[in-house]
Amino acid sequence: QSALTQPPSASGSPGQSVTISCTGTSSDVGGYNPVSWYQQHPGKAPKLMIYEVSKRPSGVPDRFSGSQSGNTASLTVSGLQAEDEADYYCSSHGGSNNFYVFGTGTRVTVV
Amino acid sequence: EVQLVESGGGLVQPGGSLRLSCTASGFIFSNYEMNWVRQAPGKGLEWLSYITSSGGSIKYGASVKGRVTVSRDNARNSLYLQVNSLRAEDTAVYYCAREIPNCINDCLDLWGQGTLVTVSS
Repeated sequence: QSALTQPPSASGSPGQSVTISCTGTSSDVGGYNPVSWYQQHPGKAPKLMIYEVSKRPSGVPDRFSGSQSGNTASLTVSGLQAEDEADYYCSSHGGSNNFYVFGTGTRVTVV
Repeated sequence: EVQLVESGGGLVQPGGSLRLSCTASGFIFSNYEMNWVRQAPGKGLEWLSYITSSGGSIKYGASVKGRVTVSRDNARNSLYLQVNSLRAEDTAVYYCAREIPNCINDCLDLWGQGTLVTVSS
């Protein structure tokens, strides 16, 4: 099972919004499999930001929101802040070959 | 403090083996499904393995299936990953991660700091 496809990079100015896509197939994202999103700062462990498409763990700002339709999921970060600059990964059930599969990752830059 | 701490990484020669450990504290380890995820230098995340809370069901990623074995000891609050026949491409930071109970798909809400495995002669 190949990794889910994400754009390599995205950027926005402070206060703006940025949306990251995560594209899979009918075997993973499109197969009614909810997507999770993780944030990773350099040298740090990943942090869960969104699970089951749009749920936020305690402590995650409501500036982070998720959606999913067909084979594509999206993460939107509204009101961009400097601390949002990080790598973001989506993940989902991976079908028959991989129980779980991560996306290729997107580096968000706050310009 | 609720945390996961990995250990057991280091430098190993190609073809060698390594047993990674993940020790949990601050929560009831036996209630949680657990996973191993790795990240090669400068690369993305790669899921490796999943084990249920009792250890009764186990899943492996296609890239490591046949070379890794996951296990857990709930009495010791510990998770393990045995990796055999190590190759240069196994060089990575290995993370253990906890799943939110009853979550649909991966909802890895607690991660360790990672342990670095370097495969080189």
